[in-house]
Amino acid sequence: EAGVTQFPSHSVIEKGQTVTLRCDPISGHDNLYWYRRVMGKEIKFLLHFVKESKQDESGMPNNRFLAERTGGTYSTLKVQPAELEDSGVYFCASSQGPGPPFFGEGSRLTVL
Amino acid sequence: AQSVSQHNHHVILSEAASLELGCNYSYGGTVNLFWYVQYPGQHLQLLLKYFSGDPLVKGIKGFEAEFIKSKFSFNLRKPSVQWSDTAEYFCAVNAISGGYNKLIFGAGTRLAVHP
Repeated sequence: EAGVTQFPSHSVIEKGQTVTLRCDPISGHDNLYWYRRVMGKEIKFLLHFVKESKQDESGMPNNRFLAERTGGTYSTLKVQPAELEDSGVYFCASSQGPGPPFFGEGSRLTVL
Repeated sequence: AQSVSQHNHHVILSEAASLELGCNYSYGGTVNLFWYVQYPGQHLQLLLKYFSGDPLVKGIKGFEAEFIKSKFSFNLRKPSVQWSDTAEYFCAVNAISGGYNKLIFGAGTRLAVHP
């Protein structure tokens, strides 16, 4: 069974540019989460989808971040325009019902 | 606000040494507690979890953790570490009953085990 896949694994962009991160959850998982880890600090919750609906987006840092999950399958997280402090590793996780979330390997974003 | 504190950022051990990684959380209500591990180049994996019942929880690969409510702690232990345990370990809390939504993570502890 395929796990949670994230793309790209590493992205290097300049300040002011746009980046879109993609997450493909495990097939059939209704819950999809985005987390972020900045500079070796704690992993922080960004938001939670249930199917295509945003269940909780309280962790989104500001309006430069836009997450979508059209059709309740894969999800994208767009950062526009990117700032230096957005650098970090963005993790996606998915789960089904009350089960534990399975994490992807993360997408590392470097903003220069 | 809920928070999770992991006492050590880096731990270095020799093989066969015993391991204990500290984790304290701040939240006065009912919590679910987790330990995740990230091996080099791999994704985060669930080591063990506590929802209710026996406060001593057994996980995969010989790990266990003990929930001490009075101390707001959930320390991870392993009696004898192996080189393959080299990884980063994360303690996490979920204060919403019934599931894994919105995990609050600690900053992680990097464990290096030398042969």
